[in-house]
Amino acid sequence: GEDVEQSLFLSVREGDSSVINCTYTDSSSTYLYWYKQEPGAGLQLLTYIFSNMDMKQDQRLTVLLNKKDKHLSLRIADTQTGDSAIYFCALGGTDKLIFGTGTRLQVFP
Amino acid sequence: SQTIHQWPATLVQPVGSPLSLECTVEGTSNPNLYWYRQAAGRGLQLLFYSVGIGQISSEVPQNLSASRPQDRQFILSSKKLLLSDSGFYLCAWKGAGNTIYFGEGSWLTVV
Repeated sequence: GEDVEQSLFLSVREGDSSVINCTYTDSSSTYLYWYKQEPGAGLQLLTYIFSNMDMKQDQRLTVLLNKKDKHLSLRIADTQTGDSAIYFCALGGTDKLIFGTGTRLQVFP
Repeated sequence: SQTIHQWPATLVQPVGSPLSLECTVEGTSNPNLYWYRQAAGRGLQLLFYSVGIGQISSEVPQNLSASRPQDRQFILSSKKLLLSDSGFYLCAWKGAGNTIYFGEGSWLTVV
């Protein structure tokens, strides 16, 4: 089955950029997503990218896709304390959406 | 607009008791529906998904079952809960552009 891996923790200073990484094994996914989960809440879709794209920018968010290395990243510019949450990458395209293990982002002043 | 409702939001159940979590979607027809579980400190595990009424695909062998009695209703059940069933359960549906939208989740604690 699909394996989707993320590092568990990331700590950044307020105002710096955050880069959250995701690696996967199955390259057949059509869509690759980033979700945000705040404490005790459901998941909020942040952005997604089609597999035929290399980059997508959406305000402070930049998604980079390296299909050769099977690597997806989410860059958050000017990280704020409100960005503190768990971030999940997810891969999908047919009927299923498979999630990564999640990265807990902590932003300190 | 489309919305998803999931309930109950929290519940505490004794070991061996039954479970029923319900999820309904409004504003769309024939959606793909999903149940995920998030155990404490862990990622999201896909439990079941459904592409239509009465069609259920199970991803992992477990103590749970799912049913889809109506187009926009998805139910997660258990006849006898185990301690290991504790977790955060999330219902989701697939919208336009293959995006997945989640409900607010149900916290289950089995004691």
